[in-house]
Amino acid sequence: AQKVTQAQTEISVVEKEDVTLDCVYETRDTTYYLFWYKQPPSGELVFLIRRNSFDEQNEISGRYSWNFQKSTSSFNFTITASQVVDSAVYFCALSEYSSASKIIFGSGTRLSIRP
Amino acid sequence: AAGVIQSPRHLIKEKRETATLKCYPIPRHDTVYWYQQGPGQDPQFLISFYEKMQSDKGSIPDRFSAQQFSDYHSELNMSSLELGDSALYFCASSLGGARASSEAFFGQGTRLTVV
Repeated sequence: AQKVTQAQTEISVVEKEDVTLDCVYETRDTTYYLFWYKQPPSGELVFLIRRNSFDEQNEISGRYSWNFQKSTSSFNFTITASQVVDSAVYFCALSEYSSASKIIFGSGTRLSIRP
Repeated sequence: AAGVIQSPRHLIKEKRETATLKCYPIPRHDTVYWYQQGPGQDPQFLISFYEKMQSDKGSIPDRFSAQQFSDYHSELNMSSLELGDSALYFCASSLGGARASSEAFFGQGTRLTVV
């Protein structure tokens, strides 16, 4: 069965600190996709990244970076030099190739950046 | 760039009434997904369509139905509304079916309140 676990319910850091959001997933498929979405207070879901199971290269996009490790079934997300505008709920998600239209979300991590 | 458009943004209905939510995908996108996010919950997959045919079904109540039209927009019809149906309803779209390499982009959501 597919499952996404975000153990950190809430994180609060001071602006300019680095912060890592953890994500652990479970799947029986060998082909799957991993996602991160941001949900700011306004409510919309903002796509951040999609990674397929065959691409374990880490990715960096500005202040954001992602560390995908199949050996530990983890797909962690790091924000460097955090800013107040980064405050949001962040969801890690998984879809399996066999049912790729069904994206399973983790319970989310609420990130608060204090000035 | 054009995004996924959902209407209405907010909707208030009474118990046992009917509601229709509309979703207009990104131009040229042929796949539409519907998700339901209850208060403080993660988004839950309801149903998806590819090329106007239902492609996958999640935890959608029998009181709900959906379809995708020839112009690729989709409507989610909800009947006999219950208080528990109060949630944020997201529509997402992608190109080429759920198994294609295209990522899914979410609309801003419709907030349904049942009173």
